[in-house]
Amino acid sequence: GDSVTQMEGPVTLSEEAFLTINCTYTATGYPSLFWYVQYPGEGLQLLLKATKADDKGSNKGFEATYRKETTSFHLEKGSVQVSDSAVYFCALETSGSRLTFGEGTQLTVNP
Amino acid sequence: EAQVTQNPRYLITVTGKKLTVTCSQNMNHEYMSWYRQDPGLGLRQIYYSMNVEVTDKGDVPEGYKVSRKEKRNFPLILESPSPNQTSLYFCASTIGTSGSYTGELFFGEGSRLTVL
Repeated sequence: GDSVTQMEGPVTLSEEAFLTINCTYTATGYPSLFWYVQYPGEGLQLLLKATKADDKGSNKGFEATYRKETTSFHLEKGSVQVSDSAVYFCALETSGSRLTFGEGTQLTVNP
Repeated sequence: EAQVTQNPRYLITVTGKKLTVTCSQNMNHEYMSWYRQDPGLGLRQIYYSMNVEVTDKGDVPEGYKVSRKEKRNFPLILESPSPNQTSLYFCASTIGTSGSYTGELFFGEGSRLTVL
């Protein structure tokens, strides 16, 4: 079945460092791909999405490109801030109107 | 303010004592869903509903029931809770008009349930 694999966490960075969180997927067809973010004590929020191959989703300085050839949707940010500390979830839209989530990656940014 | 509201936010209960976690959204969304979040497992879908009176099982439905009598409400019922249902639960909704669906879910703040 469809699945999402994220890089293991936790990830700890210093402020202004470059961030990459890897995400690969297994799916039939051409699913839409998403990154969600969960700040401490809150529910998940949609961060960005891409609906077809080579699409780039972007929001709040974060970017991810839908790579069909490598079945990947890696999340990147050029310069992280302390306020970016959160758990990040990669997800894909499966058949039957459902989202399948990865395990989540905890990011901590230190000043 | 557009939101998904869950209650209770925190609950400690004992094995076998029936409980209901309520979920309400004020965005006129057709699609609603329940997830549970466990360490190392991410979010797993319990049940979802495409519209009023239409519900379907997700990946981990055992031990749970849902109902969708009104568009705005989607309660999660644990008829006989067990310790393995200790988890963080999230309700989510999205537009899904006319049977379509988007992955752009709006989440509630979560309900942390402990079953002793």
